[in-house]
Amino acid sequence: DIVMTQSPLSLPVTLGQPAFISCRSSQSLGYRDGSTYLNWFHQRPGQSPRRLIYKVSNRDSGVPDRFSGSGSGTDFTLKISRVEAEDVGVYYCMQGKHWPPSWTFGQGTKVEI
Amino acid sequence: QVQLVQSGTEVKKPGASVKVSCKTSGYTFTDYYIHWVRQAPGPGLEWMGWINPNSGDTNSARKFQGRVTLTRDASISTAYMELSGLRSDDTAVYYCARDANTGGDCWGQGTLVAVSS
Repeated sequence: DIVMTQSPLSLPVTLGQPAFISCRSSQSLGYRDGSTYLNWFHQRPGQSPRRLIYKVSNRDSGVPDRFSGSGSGTDFTLKISRVEAEDVGVYYCMQGKHWPPSWTFGQGTKVEI
Repeated sequence: QVQLVQSGTEVKKPGASVKVSCKTSGYTFTDYYIHWVRQAPGPGLEWMGWINPNSGDTNSARKFQGRVTLTRDASISTAYMELSGLRSDDTAVYYCARDANTGGDCWGQGTLVAVSS
């Protein structure tokens, strides 16, 4: 089974400054179809997870452009270019195996001001 | 707009079963897989399995095989997750999520299942 490892697990941030979260998978997430099925989610307390990024670097509809994803193979990064107060919460990376579908989440990174 | 609305809080005794519903709207139900994910108290998300609403085919994580049953009623665009043999460590918030681009692009609001004697 694929294991997803995030770092750091806790990230104090400063408003207006950039923030970076790393995610490493135990095996390559690239598939024969040329896609890499790595997603990023944000969860605020008491709310459902919200997907920010799919296939490494594609922002979901309505996601601010201060969020960006990068990486390939087994190493991935979520960048928040300028942290805003509403960005606090827990961020998860998740690999979505193409077939048969299965999801594996990282442990989560708690971002706080 | 796309919505997934789940059933309400459940309180169950150890050994019982629980069935959670996930009613969808705003899209063609049979076009997207539905996955189930749970979150025990604290951070951490655990994938449980999926159902293909078109065919009814399912797959579940090894950990839940034999205990989880995923079904759907396409006539009312609703998916169901039934978990049997409940234990105290099954206490969690259970989410359904629509699968788009091999990730959940839309999630239900969550259903708290509390297991206590």
